[in-house]
Amino acid sequence: QKEVEQDPGPLSVPEGAIVSLNCTYSNSAFQYFMWYRQYSRKGPELLMYTYSSGNKEDGRFTAQVDKSSKYISLFIRDSQPSDSATYLCAMISGTSYGKLTFGQGTILTVHP
Amino acid sequence: GAVVSQHPSRVICKSGTSVKIECRSLDFQATTMFWYRQFPKQSLMLMATSNEGSKATYEQGVEKDKFLINHASLTLSTLTVTSAHPEDSSFYICSARHDNEKLFFGSGTQLSVL
Repeated sequence: QKEVEQDPGPLSVPEGAIVSLNCTYSNSAFQYFMWYRQYSRKGPELLMYTYSSGNKEDGRFTAQVDKSSKYISLFIRDSQPSDSATYLCAMISGTSYGKLTFGQGTILTVHP
Repeated sequence: GAVVSQHPSRVICKSGTSVKIECRSLDFQATTMFWYRQFPKQSLMLMATSNEGSKATYEQGVEKDKFLINHASLTLSTLTVTSAHPEDSSFYICSARHDNEKLFFGSGTQLSVL
């Protein structure tokens, strides 16, 4: 079993839809949770960073962490074609010295 | 967010040659940098952890002599692919660890070995 599970999709939604991306994890030592967006042939871009259970909002993006269920989500409101990319969840444990454990990534396409 | 610069963005080389990729943290000091490899439609695979002033720590299965990592300063780490072969063709990405646990990534280097 992988430490972090993420549905690779692909996910296709119409412009303006609410997108829900999810990851589950098995390692209860994970303390920091991140979502990255990666466009084709580019490096990942940090979207959201959280370390506690609950919701964190930044513009059209909301990150949700449920440590009791070992489940994290990223919601994108009013999705735009420019949001089409691969979204990676990533996690760090307190003892990993910054080593990220990534999900497989979900390919998202927002069509006009 | 913090800026990590990676160069070159694309390199094509002949089999047997060596290629150096640079990763710089432009607006912060990074004692730890990471090097990843990514194949098409797959997630990032960690190759090694680069610590300033010490030897890199390689992940299992990564050849130390083939992928030379140097982290000579708090803002620069380099990855040298020695005696490159076509199977080394891949997308290489670096990241730098900010002091608050956030990792920022470079823009990646597409290596093509002919």
